[in-house]
Amino acid sequence: DTGVSQDPRHKITKRGQNVTFRCDPISEHNRLYWYRQTLGQGPEFLTYFQNEAQLEKSRLLSDRFSAERPKGSFSTLEIQRTEQGDSAMYLCTLGVANEQFFGPGTRLTVL
Amino acid sequence: DQQVKQNSPSLSVQEGRISILNCDYTNSMFDYFLWYKKYPAEGPTFLISISSIKDKNEDGRFTVFLNKSAKHLSLHIVPSQPGDSAVYFCAASALAGTGANNLFFGTGTRLTVIP
Repeated sequence: DTGVSQDPRHKITKRGQNVTFRCDPISEHNRLYWYRQTLGQGPEFLTYFQNEAQLEKSRLLSDRFSAERPKGSFSTLEIQRTEQGDSAMYLCTLGVANEQFFGPGTRLTVL
Repeated sequence: DQQVKQNSPSLSVQEGRISILNCDYTNSMFDYFLWYKKYPAEGPTFLISISSIKDKNEDGRFTVFLNKSAKHLSLHIVPSQPGDSAVYFCAASALAGTGANNLFFGTGTRLTVIP
């Protein structure tokens, strides 16, 4: 089962606030990715976990962003001191063989 | 630096006809290619993929063609159905490397199938 849920589905916050998103795979998957998608663009890679180890981070992941996968199952993505430019869809994917399967995403709006 | 490009932002096709969506890439390290379909307010849904060792992969109404020398791939949908109306993203990865094998996406093509 390649299902993954994300919570919340929508988040509206004021500039400067901290937000946290969660990604929950339905079953065990070693490889978990976070992507960000802004309007008119395709998803862009943010970070990659192999089990609980964060093995790769994109330059898009500024110091205000942090991601964890403490037990190698669910993952969280936190954004501190949000800026209007952080408004986007944040997508979690599971790697299965050579493919990746996306969750429904969390849409963040920073006012 | 956009390594995967979809130069047609939109495409309209009559129901029953063929839809052809195109994608170009610049990085010769890419060796695996995928197509995703996206409806509004949902995450992308995996459609079909192709390895660089092949030039064609078919799954039902969907066929992906890869031309490595031209660094070009295309998705054919035949016959097109109104339910196919969505945004289609082309993606590529470099599986032979030791990195994350993350995906690089194009900017998408909005397909509208007219009944």
